[in-house]
Amino acid sequence: GAVVSQHPSRVICKSGTSVKIECRSLDFQATTMFWYRQFPKKSLMLMATSNEGSKATYEQGVEKDKFLINHASLTLSTLTVTSAHPEDSSFYICSAQGLAGGPGDTQYFGPGTRLTVL
Amino acid sequence: EDQVTQSPEALRLQEGESSSLNCSYTVSGLRGLFWYRQDPGKGPEFLFTLYSAGEEKEKERLKATLTKKESFLHITAPKPEDSATYLCAVPNQAGTALIFGKGTTLSVSS
Repeated sequence: GAVVSQHPSRVICKSGTSVKIECRSLDFQATTMFWYRQFPKKSLMLMATSNEGSKATYEQGVEKDKFLINHASLTLSTLTVTSAHPEDSSFYICSAQGLAGGPGDTQYFGPGTRLTVL
Repeated sequence: EDQVTQSPEALRLQEGESSSLNCSYTVSGLRGLFWYRQDPGKGPEFLFTLYSAGEEKEKERLKATLTKKESFLHITAPKPEDSATYLCAVPNQAGTALIFGKGTTLSVSS
């Protein structure tokens, strides 16, 4: 149980284009989903937190107009990197937290999406 | 300031050589401590959640323990497939996010 999927697993795009990454909780409903970014040999950096049906909360320093997050249902959240540039190249990982959604509830992570912007 | 520190940064073991990984935290009102395993190029895989001092949980060759200031991940008779980065995390004081340690990269050779 508690499986989270991400699509695509890998994407290469040209500078200036937009890329959408999907995150789905397959066997549970997630009131809260999180988006992280991870640089090589570094730990996870939280970008934003999204709750179903409401606007995402972005961490300090994360541009909300560049990283658009939509959490349209209890099983789906999307991250759109708009007008991507080479510095946006990274490993993006989502996680989902169950219905109780409390701070002590486990976050289950997706497999990640490797974005390369040429 | 809420903080999570993991040590060692890297650990090399021979197959069968037991050891422990440490995770120390400074957050008041702990609401859970999480252990994850991450393989290269993949998302973290959930291992354990511990909620109170004295609690222990086991899964195959791994056992996690918790005190008021730190947690240990004990690896008994490790195998090469246990090689991975092990991450520890706690909720921040506001309960809005997980604070991750930098991880311990474990390499087990046969």
